[in-house]
Amino acid sequence: AQKVTQAQTEISVVEKEDVTLDCVYETRDTTYYLFWYKQPPSGELVFLIRRNSFDEQNEISGRYSWNFQKSTSSFNFTITASQVVDSAVYFCALTSSGNTGKLIFGQGTTLQVKP
Amino acid sequence: EADIYQTPRYLVIGTGKKITLECSQTMGHDKMYWYQQDPGMELHLIHYSYGVNSTEKGDLSSESTVSRIRTEHFPLTLESARPSHTSQYLCASSEERTPNTEAFFGQGTRLTVV
Repeated sequence: AQKVTQAQTEISVVEKEDVTLDCVYETRDTTYYLFWYKQPPSGELVFLIRRNSFDEQNEISGRYSWNFQKSTSSFNFTITASQVVDSAVYFCALTSSGNTGKLIFGQGTTLQVKP
Repeated sequence: EADIYQTPRYLVIGTGKKITLECSQTMGHDKMYWYQQDPGMELHLIHYSYGVNSTEKGDLSSESTVSRIRTEHFPLTLESARPSHTSQYLCASSEERTPNTEAFFGQGTRLTVV
């Protein structure tokens, strides 16, 4: 069975602090895809990043960075110098079906960035 | 910006009513999905479609039904709404040809059954 665990239910930081959101996944498949989505209060899911199981390179995009480690089945997300606009619920998700819409979601981490 | 639209955004309806949640996308995607999200919880797949006249049930059992008569349209219907159906419903779509893409989500419909 596949599973995604986001152990941090809520995180609260002060603006400009760095914050890391943890994601641990379980799958027996050798080919799989991992995603991070952001859900602002408006409700939609905004795609942030996709990583396939063959690509363990870490990625940086502006203030966002992702650390993918197959050895620990983790795909952690770091926001550097957080801003109030980063406040949202963040979901980590997994699929191995080759169908990138059939996702197994984690429970989500609510990030609150205070001014 | 994703071109996938859901209506209505918010719906409050009485028990026993029939409701249809609309989802349309203009990206020509073959695959479409419905997810259910209870407040403060993760999303669960309840229906998906690989194309016209194709519908499948997802991982979470749901009393709702779906249809896919046109590529761009994937409505979800509840024949008799109950308070247990109160939730947020999110529609998504993705391309057929490659897994190296991502699903695009609509803004969701927040359904309250009283």
